[in-house]
Amino acid sequence: KAGVTQTPRYLIKTRGQQVTLSCSPISGHRSVSWYQQTPGQGLQFLFEYFSETQRNKGNFPGRFSGRQFSNSRSEMNVSTLELGDSALYLCASSPAGTTNEKLFFGSGTQLSVL
Amino acid sequence: QKEVEQNSGPLSVPEGAIASLNCTYSDRGSQSFFWYRQYSGKSPELIMSIYSNGDKEDGRFTAQLNKASQYVSLLIRDSQPSDSATYLCAVRNTGGFKTIFGAGTRLFVKA
Repeated sequence: KAGVTQTPRYLIKTRGQQVTLSCSPISGHRSVSWYQQTPGQGLQFLFEYFSETQRNKGNFPGRFSGRQFSNSRSEMNVSTLELGDSALYLCASSPAGTTNEKLFFGSGTQLSVL
Repeated sequence: QKEVEQNSGPLSVPEGAIASLNCTYSDRGSQSFFWYRQYSGKSPELIMSIYSNGDKEDGRFTAQLNKASQYVSLLIRDSQPSDSATYLCAVRNTGGFKTIFGAGTRLFVKA
């Protein structure tokens, strides 16, 4: 069974640009969560999707958005990039996003904003 | 106050010793507790989960939960150099649809 797939693996953008990151969950998993990881802040929760619905959102500005498609694949978008958005963006999936489920992480997208 | 707090370390232990990692959380509604391990340059992977008060053992790993004190810990017995990694404590509450992570504790096991 294939794991969580994130593309692209690396991205370099300049301030003011926008970026879209993609995540394909493990087959059969319907819950997708996104996290931002930086050395200083650790893993910060961005949002969680289930069956194309955003069920929870972290404390990030509106420049960060996401969506989920009917096949459970998910994208996140960051508009008007800032230097501080440079981070590793991790996607994680689980079967239904219930309380006891563990998360399976992808390899992440390393975003550098210049 | 952060939702999930861990000592960032680094924690250094000799090979064969017991490594003790600690975590506190602020939301009393939290129901599920996890420990993830993250090697440098890799993604987090689950090593333990615990849902009720007490101890849970799995091989060399023991997770301990005390909901009254809002405290979770992970013990690694017979520590090996391959255990050197960052250990992330994670907490999930009922109906919250989100898993909150601590900043992680870096563990070094010296051969």
